[in-house]
Amino acid sequence: RKEVEQDPGPFNVPEGATVAFNCTYSNSASQSFFWYRQDCRKEPKLLMSVYSSGNEDGRFTAQLNRASQYISLLIRDSKLSDSATYLCVVNIGGGADGLTFGKGTHLIIQP
Amino acid sequence: DAGITQSPRYKITETGRQVTLMCHQTWSHSYMFWYRQDLGHGLRLIYYSAAADITDKGEVPDGYVVSRSKTENFPLTLESATRSQTSVYFCASSDHGGQGNSPLHFGNGTRLTVT
Repeated sequence: RKEVEQDPGPFNVPEGATVAFNCTYSNSASQSFFWYRQDCRKEPKLLMSVYSSGNEDGRFTAQLNRASQYISLLIRDSKLSDSATYLCVVNIGGGADGLTFGKGTHLIIQP
Repeated sequence: DAGITQSPRYKITETGRQVTLMCHQTWSHSYMFWYRQDLGHGLRLIYYSAAADITDKGEVPDGYVVSRSKTENFPLTLESATRSQTSVYFCASSDHGGQGNSPLHFGNGTRLTVT
């Protein structure tokens, strides 16, 4: 089983719709969780950290489900500018070398 | 401006040549990282450093050398470049190395082609 898994997509979503995708992780002891956004040929940029109780930042909501070992990202009222690849990052091992990146979910917002 | 910068942005080199990729951060973050990103593999850790003069191997260290004589700089050297090292290289820094809720902040990458 891969340590951090994401559906690669692409997810084709009409503008204004709500879209959600998940990321599963293998180590139940994982403690740190993040969502990054990466535009084509650019560096990953932090979208949000994921806290145990879930957290929201504007149109974006992140959730952590420890029992089922996944995190989720929900985007409401999607914009054309939300088109990007979303990377899930989990600290599997606890140390600095434990950060493990998913391969990303490609999101395309269509006008 | 504070941040993390990489140089060069693009580099073409020949097989067998030595090449050094530079990374500089102005946040005084303790941790610095080098990743490579290839299609089908996502981001893979090459080396990381917890502080000046402390470096550790990541998932794919073979063929690479790093040093960290100063907190703000973390150069990555390919001692004898091979075609398999053609990739996009990202440097990142972090206060606490991705532990707790301390995220990584990435430089804008170096696109390296080995011919």
